[in-house]
Amino acid sequence: QVQLVESGGGLVKPGGSLRLSCAASGFTFSDYYMSWIRQAPGKGLEWVSYISSGGSTIYYADSVKGRFTISRDNAKNSLYLQMNSLRAEDTAVYYCAQTTGWYAYWGQGTLVTVSS
Amino acid sequence: DIQMTQSPSSLSASVGDRVTITCQASQDISNYLNWYQQKPGKAPKLLIYDASNLETGVPSRFSGSGSGTDFSFIISSLQPEDIATYYCQQYDNLPPFFGGGTKVAIK
Repeated sequence: QVQLVESGGGLVKPGGSLRLSCAASGFTFSDYYMSWIRQAPGKGLEWVSYISSGGSTIYYADSVKGRFTISRDNAKNSLYLQMNSLRAEDTAVYYCAQTTGWYAYWGQGTLVTVSS
Repeated sequence: DIQMTQSPSSLSASVGDRVTITCQASQDISNYLNWYQQKPGKAPKLLIYDASNLETGVPSRFSGSGSGTDFSFIISSLQPEDIATYYCQQYDNLPPFFGGGTKVAIK
């Protein structure tokens, strides 16, 4: 069965960095676009970024452009999100999701808290 | 950017009631509209894709309709386990915005 497991979240100070990982299994990872989607506490869902199956096409939400970098390693069935210059408003649960226009499979999420 | 206006933001209904949630896109998105259910502390779950297609394993009391700019999501007979927040999401254009969510409660 499809499994997506995020890791790497935690408490970081404003201006700091964090790298999230998403380990995929149960499907041919290299065949699928992948996305990061976040949810601030008590708020709705916000798409953050996606990457094409081969990694050549990448898009970011305006709110994270220039600060976040998405990448993938198809040999390791893994998706990453490098987050730099973190702000308080980046505090959220970050989900990775298999992407086919819709998000049929999601990880359990990893909490990122940006606070001094 | 295509904005998604979802309504109502919350509702309360009795078990067995028919529940309708609407989502309006700021421009034509054809049928590129999906619906998700999210229970507290859990990841969202895909229920409907491409406006009206029921995801495998999802109960048939859930349905979706619409095209262009106006979409509906219906729970034909509300069950206690349907207590959740529901989101629409368009993918006609980037960014793939979600609607603001509808929190469904039991009366």
